[in-house]
Amino acid sequence: QSALTQPASVSGSPGQSITISCTGTSSDIGGYDFVFWYQQHPGKAPKLMIYEVSNRPSGVPDRFSGSKSGNTASLTISGLQTEDEADYYCSSYTTRDTVVFGGGTTLTVL
Amino acid sequence: EIRLLESGGGLVQPGGSLRLSCAASGFSFNTYAMSWVRQTPGKGLEWVSTINNPGSSTDYADSVKGRFTISRDNSKNTVFLQMNSLRPEDTALYYCAKGGARWTYFDYWGRGTLVTVSS
Repeated sequence: QSALTQPASVSGSPGQSITISCTGTSSDIGGYDFVFWYQQHPGKAPKLMIYEVSNRPSGVPDRFSGSKSGNTASLTISGLQTEDEADYYCSSYTTRDTVVFGGGTTLTVL
Repeated sequence: EIRLLESGGGLVQPGGSLRLSCAASGFSFNTYAMSWVRQTPGKGLEWVSTINNPGSSTDYADSVKGRFTISRDNSKNTVFLQMNSLRPEDTALYYCAKGGARWTYFDYWGRGTLVTVSS
């Protein structure tokens, strides 16, 4: 199973909005509404930020939002804050009853 | 507070074996699927394996199928990963992760245990 495709890096200034894309196929992202996003700060474990395309777990700020169109999912962070600087990973359930991750995107808040 | 504490990592020669453990607390362990996810140093995440809450069903990534076995002991709130025929490419930080309402996502993660396969 090939990894989902994410940009290696994105950047933005405090207060701005950024969007991270995650491209898969009809066998994963396009086939189910089971797309998830994780945030990982250096040296820390990943943290679930979005589940099932657009739902936020309790405690995740509403500045984080998710969406999906066809085989591509997106994570948007509005009102960027310095603490948002981290790596972000998307993941999806697949037709093979497995989970696949994206390669990760490093967000830099300038 | 939900806690996941991995142990059992270390240095092993190619072809060797290791058994990882993950002790869980703070939630009803026998209600949720549990998974292992690994991260190669400096690189991304890779799902490894999942076991359902009663322990009757398991799934594996193709890269570990036939070599790794996941199991759980609900009486001890612990999940295991038996890793055999280890290869250098298995070198990674292994995270234990709790499944959410569906097993397909992971809402709590441990801090990981490092496995190094090298001669």
